[in-house]
Amino acid sequence: GENVEQHPSTLSVQEGDSAVIKCTYSDSASNYFPWYKQELGKGPQLIIDIRSNVGEKKDQRIAVTLNKTAKHFSLHITETQPEDSAVYFCAASNKNTGNQFYFGTGTSLTVIP
Amino acid sequence: GAVVSQHPSWVICKSGTSVKIECRSLDFQATTMFWYRQFPKQSLMLMATSNEGSKATYEQGVEKDKFLINHASLTLSTLTVTSAHPEDSSFYICSALILGGGYTFGSGTRLTVV
Repeated sequence: GENVEQHPSTLSVQEGDSAVIKCTYSDSASNYFPWYKQELGKGPQLIIDIRSNVGEKKDQRIAVTLNKTAKHFSLHITETQPEDSAVYFCAASNKNTGNQFYFGTGTSLTVIP
Repeated sequence: GAVVSQHPSWVICKSGTSVKIECRSLDFQATTMFWYRQFPKQSLMLMATSNEGSKATYEQGVEKDKFLINHASLTLSTLTVTSAHPEDSSFYICSALILGGGYTFGSGTRLTVV
């Protein structure tokens, strides 16, 4: 089955700096890669996603890159703000597995004002 | 956008009692819903997959008689924790598969068994 690894587990950055979170996956059939932000006591919220036919996607301060050959994808947050502090999860899925999501272990991001 | 409403957001119950958690899709039909459990500072652990009108598929190690899942309609799925014990205390989250292959998550339920 799919195995998703996520690094780092914790990340602290100064406000205004960039944050990068990386994930690798094992199943070459995975074709959908979402990123979720989870604030304390709340459910995960989708912040950006990318499909396997695209190498990069950007939405304002957030971008995701995908390297299918190397089977890794990354989340980039620029000009970080204190409200970006949360736990971020990557995930991978494909239709062959009934769209079941395989989540990374999460990254706790702290943006220091 | 697609919204899943999950209730209650938190619940405290006594050992031995049962607790029901509901997830409703508000503006779309959710043929498939997923139930997750999350321990503090850990990732989401898939418990089961439920399809409307059929029995849920449980992940290995999840007791189906303890965690009863019902998906009787296209807009409602429920998880009932039966004979709850303190070790069942956790954060439970539902999610629904939406068109295009994405997920939308409920807001989660914090269960504390005393």
